[in-house]
Amino acid sequence: DAKTTQPNSMESNEEEPVHLPCNHSTISGTDYIHWYRQLPSQGPEYVIHGLTSNVNNRMASLAIAEDRKSSTLILHRATLRDAAVYYCILRDVSGGGSNYKLTFGKGTLLTVNP
Amino acid sequence: DTAVSQTPKYLVTQMGNDKSIKCEQNLGHDTMYWYKQDSKKFLKIMFSYNNKELIINETVPNRFSPKSPDKAHLNLHINSLELGDSAVYFCASSHLGRAPNYGYTFGSGTRLTVV
Repeated sequence: DAKTTQPNSMESNEEEPVHLPCNHSTISGTDYIHWYRQLPSQGPEYVIHGLTSNVNNRMASLAIAEDRKSSTLILHRATLRDAAVYYCILRDVSGGGSNYKLTFGKGTLLTVNP
Repeated sequence: DTAVSQTPKYLVTQMGNDKSIKCEQNLGHDTMYWYKQDSKKFLKIMFSYNNKELIINETVPNRFSPKSPDKAHLNLHINSLELGDSAVYFCASSHLGRAPNYGYTFGSGTRLTVV
């Protein structure tokens, strides 16, 4: 699986935007960029995904660099409930069933200060 | 109307025992997974079933045996439990055929403690 690099931890203040970076310099053309988060004592939760274009949904926005070697998850107004570990994952869906697995790295622990 | 439900939520057992964790999804997904999250919080995939067929089998001791009676259920049976099996086990499901435009839905986890 292509690897991603994320900061171990970040801090934000409530009500402020948060930009969570992810580097994936070895990304291939068939890799989709997925973001998940894991709130304390819960299972991971899907946040957003994209291939080349920027994406928006009700939870967040995903900004993808033109060369696709990096991406940024944007939380427009952080709340205390957004405190979690955020995982950036490359998902290669070419080649069959075993390639469909999600491989989690260490992620970024986001702390939101009141 | 929980999407992916696991039982039990907590499981404390002695070394050497055999135990099972059950997982059910009501999302109509065709693929289910088991992940293990150890004390260092690293999430690792263990198994995956697609329409009751095993498609992913990572390097897991053969004391762990998944069973999928139908595509809505994936159970995990563990024989001869060891201290190192203590972890949180997460079940997940997805639509394999709709990847890559489809996320996984995870259960809330089963915390297994072996004493």
